[in-house]
Amino acid sequence: EAGVVQSPRYKIIEKKQPVAFWCNPISGHNTLYWYLQNLGQGPELLIRYENEEAVDDSQLPKDRFSAERLKGVDSTLKIQPAELGDSAVYLCASSLSTDTQYFGPGTRLTVL
Amino acid sequence: DQQVKQNSPSLSVQEGRISILNCDYTNSMFDYFLWYKKYPAEGPTFLISISSIKDKNEDGRFTVFLNKSAKHLSLHIVPSQPGDSAVYFCAARARGYSGSARQLTFGSGTQLTVLP
Repeated sequence: EAGVVQSPRYKIIEKKQPVAFWCNPISGHNTLYWYLQNLGQGPELLIRYENEEAVDDSQLPKDRFSAERLKGVDSTLKIQPAELGDSAVYLCASSLSTDTQYFGPGTRLTVL
Repeated sequence: DQQVKQNSPSLSVQEGRISILNCDYTNSMFDYFLWYKKYPAEGPTFLISISSIKDKNEDGRFTVFLNKSAKHLSLHIVPSQPGDSAVYFCAARARGYSGSARQLTFGSGTQLTVLP
């Protein structure tokens, strides 16, 4: 069974530029999560989808971050414009309802 | 405020000995706890979990203990192997079936190094 797929794995951009991350969850998993992980910290939830509906986006900085999950499968997370403090690893995870979350390898973003 | 705390950022253990990783929590609404393991350049991988109705759960070399009165859980690895060297995250989820109750709150992780 294929795991959670994320791309790109690494991204380097200059500040004020836009950036987008893509996630393909495990087949059949209806719940999808985007997490932010800063160096030396645990993952922090940005947004959670159940099917195509964002059911918890309280920690998503909506002035510059946006996300979508069309057709309840793949998802994209966008930052526009990026700031220096956005440098981090962005993790995508999926689960079947409230079951165990399975994580992708993450996208390491560096903003110069 | 940190609701899930892993106060030891690192731990070194000799191969074959026991590794004990600790985690404390403050939210009394947490009723389900998980441990994830993370290798460099990979995402966290689920390791073992425990419900608050239990005080121990065992899976091979890994055992998680839960002390609800102390709001403390620990992960024991016996015997430790060099391949166990990774960052271990403790995570907790609150009771409930909707909304933020399903959200996992993670600790900051402990880097385990098993020396050969």
